[in-house]
Amino acid sequence: GAGVSQTPSNKVTEKGKYVELRCDPISGHTALYWYRQSLGQGPEFLIYFQGTGAADDSGLPNDRFFAVRPEGSVSTLKIQRTERGDSAVYLCASSAEVGWGSHSEQFFGPGTRLTVL
Amino acid sequence: GEDVEQSLFLSVREGDSSVINCTYTDSSSTYLYWYKQEPGAGLQLLTYIFSNMDMKQDQRLTVLLNKKDKHLSLRIADTQTGDSAIYFCAEKNRGSTLGRLYFGRGTQLTVWP
Repeated sequence: GAGVSQTPSNKVTEKGKYVELRCDPISGHTALYWYRQSLGQGPEFLIYFQGTGAADDSGLPNDRFFAVRPEGSVSTLKIQRTERGDSAVYLCASSAEVGWGSHSEQFFGPGTRLTVL
Repeated sequence: GEDVEQSLFLSVREGDSSVINCTYTDSSSTYLYWYKQEPGAGLQLLTYIFSNMDMKQDQRLTVLLNKKDKHLSLRIADTQTGDSAIYFCAEKNRGSTLGRLYFGRGTQLTVWP
């Protein structure tokens, strides 16, 4: 596709349920990032993939959050036992990098708005 | 993130210049970015500057970097109503972590006609 796409655009769920959020990066981009943006805040880093492997998952808030990228393209962010505090916009980005000290633009998707009731 | 600080609101009249300021704490930052976010849209990269530069100009946008004071600014000349949006400052390459960006809370720019 022309840009990063995310599905669904909106997800409403009940406390305690399991959700999956999907990201389709720009074709050929090896790096993929997940961020979370709470109301009135800037995006907060969650996890970064280089290819199929998670190069940095230090931003995941706890073990209820997990992400995969099995074939090095599409990624799924999985949240178990959702809590009201998980409500936020989940942003995905991809880039063509990456090397230490290099610049490569991160292209962001429109996000998935998750609401936990 | 708490280590990237921005003022939250800025209002200007159409045609005036806007200056959005940002301070950061990590002296090892290599790239600093300005992103724009419009309602319902994703983040759009406006411009970036490498840490060994003092200034970068791109059409109506001027970025100034004071590395000693860890201060970054974005000047928008001839501000238009279409420039109304949230502007995020972000830094990259803190410490040994590759790729991740650290964002400020964003500055809401309102342009009055």
